[in-house]
Amino acid sequence: GESVGLHLPTLSVQEGDNSIINCAYSNSASDYFIWYKQESGKGPQFIIDIRSNMDKRQGQRVTVLLNKTVKHLSLQIAATQPGDSAVYFCAESGTGNQFYFGTGTSLTVIP
Amino acid sequence: NAGVTQTPKFQVLKTGQSMTLQCAQDMNHNSMYWYRQDPGMGLRLIYYSASEGTTDKGEVPNGYNVSRLNKREFSLRLESAAPSQTSVYFCASSSDGANYGYTFGSGTRLTVV
Repeated sequence: GESVGLHLPTLSVQEGDNSIINCAYSNSASDYFIWYKQESGKGPQFIIDIRSNMDKRQGQRVTVLLNKTVKHLSLQIAATQPGDSAVYFCAESGTGNQFYFGTGTSLTVIP
Repeated sequence: NAGVTQTPKFQVLKTGQSMTLQCAQDMNHNSMYWYRQDPGMGLRLIYYSASEGTTDKGEVPNGYNVSRLNKREFSLRLESAAPSQTSVYFCASSSDGANYGYTFGSGTRLTVV
């Protein structure tokens, strides 16, 4: 299957700082990518997506960057808040009507 | 509230017992999925149903069966539970397969002893 990996399993940031979570993907043919947030005891929640014809997409306090040359995806969270503490997953579209998920990065926001 | 509903939320089984995990969505989505989540392994696809009446194996289908009962409901059955099936199970749905994001349920935490 596809492999989707994260550079760092854990990340700690001070409240108010910006956070950057990275993700590497292996399939250059993937054309759709999503970031999910998973809080403790809950299911993953859609944050933001990007298609392969774009290299940047912005949402509310979040930005996703896509570098197809090096097959790298990142999620930037501006002015990180305690409520942002969670595990963040990247997912890439694959064959057969499915997504492939990374193992996740745990973000801890220090008040 | 609209979304994906899973039952039960928690379950403990003895090895060899059977059970069915239920999932229902009220968003009129065509595609539904069952994932398991284990520490350090991310989410792995067990089975999916691209549309009512169809089901397909995912990455880790062994030991499981599924039924797409109607457009709303997609159940996952463990015929003879094993300790290796201890995990958190998530159901998800999507309007159009992998072209749009999934909506996930809140999960079922299953322990097999």
